[in-house]
Amino acid sequence: AQKITQTQPGMFVQEKEAVTLDCTYDTSDPSYGLFWYKQPSSGEMIFLIYQGSYDQQNATEGRYSLNFQKARKSANLVISASQLGDSAMYFCAMRVNFGNEKLTFGTGTRLTIIP
Amino acid sequence: GAGVSQSPSNKVTEKGKDVELRCDPISGHTALYWYRQSLGQGLEFLIYFQGNSAPDKSGLPSDRFSAERTGGSVSTLTIQRTQQEDSAVYLCASIESMGATYYNEQFFGPGTRLTVL
Repeated sequence: AQKITQTQPGMFVQEKEAVTLDCTYDTSDPSYGLFWYKQPSSGEMIFLIYQGSYDQQNATEGRYSLNFQKARKSANLVISASQLGDSAMYFCAMRVNFGNEKLTFGTGTRLTIIP
Repeated sequence: GAGVSQSPSNKVTEKGKDVELRCDPISGHTALYWYRQSLGQGLEFLIYFQGNSAPDKSGLPSDRFSAERTGGSVSTLTIQRTQQEDSAVYLCASIESMGATYYNEQFFGPGTRLTVL
């Protein structure tokens, strides 16, 4: 079974600062993918970034980067130069490849950007 | 193109009533997923469809929950004899096909907020 742990229920960050959202995972499968989704107050799930278990480099997408430490089983999301619009819930999720690709989610981190 | 749509957006029902929640996936997407998000929690997998078949129903919490998919498109999640603990947001997601792209991210609908009084 897979498990995702997000230990920060909430975070407050000053605008323009960088922020790291923690995520650790547990799986016995060697091939898996890690996702981060953003959920604003409107409720939709917005895909941010993906990291494959065999990727040699950390994933980056604009202001988002994923600090992937495979041996520690962590996949922290780093948001650089935070903006007011970054205030939302952030979910880390995992899928096991070559299966039915269902996602296992963490409990999320509520990020609030302070002007 | 159009994204995943769900209806209704909100549903308030009385305990013991049956409810049906609908999901229209992105056209051409073969795989469809239902998740439940209880207040303050992450998303919990309920059921997965490949075409019209449901090979994985392991997340359905009780036999009061069922789902079907017809024509490889629209899916309906039915909750019979609703209970207050069924109150949650029910989200639907779809992907083009298994392994279609490297990311193969799931595209989510806006959800149906169910409140059982």
